[in-house]
Amino acid sequence: DVKVTQSSRYLVKRTGEKVFLECVQDMDHENMFWYRQDPGLGLRLIYFSYDVKMKEKGDIPEGYSVSREKKERFSLILESASTNQTSMYLCASIAQGALNYGYTFGSGTRLTVV
Amino acid sequence: AQSVAQPEDQVNVAEGNPLTVKCTYSVSGNPYLFWYVQYPNRGLQFLLKYITGDNLVKGSYGFEAEFNKSQTSFHLKKPSALVSDSALYFCAVRDGGNTPLVFGKGTRLSVIA
Repeated sequence: DVKVTQSSRYLVKRTGEKVFLECVQDMDHENMFWYRQDPGLGLRLIYFSYDVKMKEKGDIPEGYSVSREKKERFSLILESASTNQTSMYLCASIAQGALNYGYTFGSGTRLTVV
Repeated sequence: AQSVAQPEDQVNVAEGNPLTVKCTYSVSGNPYLFWYVQYPNRGLQFLLKYITGDNLVKGSYGFEAEFNKSQTSFHLKKPSALVSDSALYFCAVRDGGNTPLVFGKGTRLSVIA
């Protein structure tokens, strides 16, 4: 089975800190995604990437950036964490040739910014 | 632009009764529709999808969904609910090509023994 691993399940960071959320997948998938999940708002797309070094803005990219230096790793960066970025962050991946199938999601990182 | 609406925040059903979780969508082209389930403190798990073909699609854990093009709906159903089905359910859609999935706001299903 494809595995998508998010390095931290829970994180607590201070306002203004630079925060890195890491996501690694083990099946050579080209496409990777970062969503945030908030109660009553569902999942909202932050950034996605179709391949190494490529990135595209999603619906809510403000305050975030991403890095995809290796195919298996897609990092989400909070340049200066703020309390309104307290959320559950979900990473997902899918192969380019398997777009008719469902994404594989990681278990999520629950980030609290204090 | 594509969008998904899940009109119910919460659905309550007695164990053994049929359940329906509603979803309507909007896309410019042909829809690719998905249902996911999320258990507490976990990521999303794929349940089923509609890409083309029969309007009734079957998925994991006894769930099925009916695609209705005229009503732009893709409701999730199960003939007999289990307490273990209690979870958060998300509908998602994309159009053709390589566009990312757009998710609804989620519906919390509570199955009462």
